[in-house]
Amino acid sequence: DAGITQSPRYKITETGRQVTLMCHQTWSHSYMFWYRQDLGHGLRLIYYSAAADITDKGEVPDGYVVSRSKTENFPLTLESATRSQTSVYFCASREDPRAGNEQFFGPGTRLTVL
Amino acid sequence: TQLLEQSPQFLSIQEGENLTVYCNSSSVFSSLQWYRQEPGEGPVLLVTVVTGGEVKKLKRLTFQFGDARKDSSLHITAAQPGDTGLYLCAGAPSNTGKLIFGQGTTLQVKP
Repeated sequence: DAGITQSPRYKITETGRQVTLMCHQTWSHSYMFWYRQDLGHGLRLIYYSAAADITDKGEVPDGYVVSRSKTENFPLTLESATRSQTSVYFCASREDPRAGNEQFFGPGTRLTVL
Repeated sequence: TQLLEQSPQFLSIQEGENLTVYCNSSSVFSSLQWYRQEPGEGPVLLVTVVTGGEVKKLKRLTFQFGDARKDSSLHITAAQPGDTGLYLCAGAPSNTGKLIFGQGTTLQVKP
């Protein structure tokens, strides 16, 4: 499918488990982002990547790990899930900043940590 | 830390009413965007404003960027139930590729 996809769409896990959320885009956009969305906080940036093998921390990176070995994929791993990481996670992508600022979002992954 | 304060956070109005949502910051942004998000979906871009004082119209929606490029507003004329959703403003501090999002405004338009 063309566009940006996330999997799984829903995930329930337990405290202390490792969880990986997947993100895939078909546009060959250079930039990719991971956000979490919580009531009253809007979207907060976790990590972002300007290109393959280049990643950087966002506003709330603690407890998360990312990698980007291929341009089209940007997985987010919760190394040891905590209840505070219960949230809706959105992946986004965009072209080079010089082409404009629009970000294209995936449909989100709703994660519950028990 | 650059912040975007969005107000109001919740708005419930009757069909046909007008409304304005505000997005304010003490920081200057190179551009500001407004996104709309439906339940169970990701945000979708409505508009980007770049020039201080710029006004853009999208049917019944009017977007304005402040002269100093620190604030923006979204005005909806004659709101309809289809306008219901979460509206998010997002500022680009510079051409870094990153966006800073406001907390969002949840709009409910009752028929």
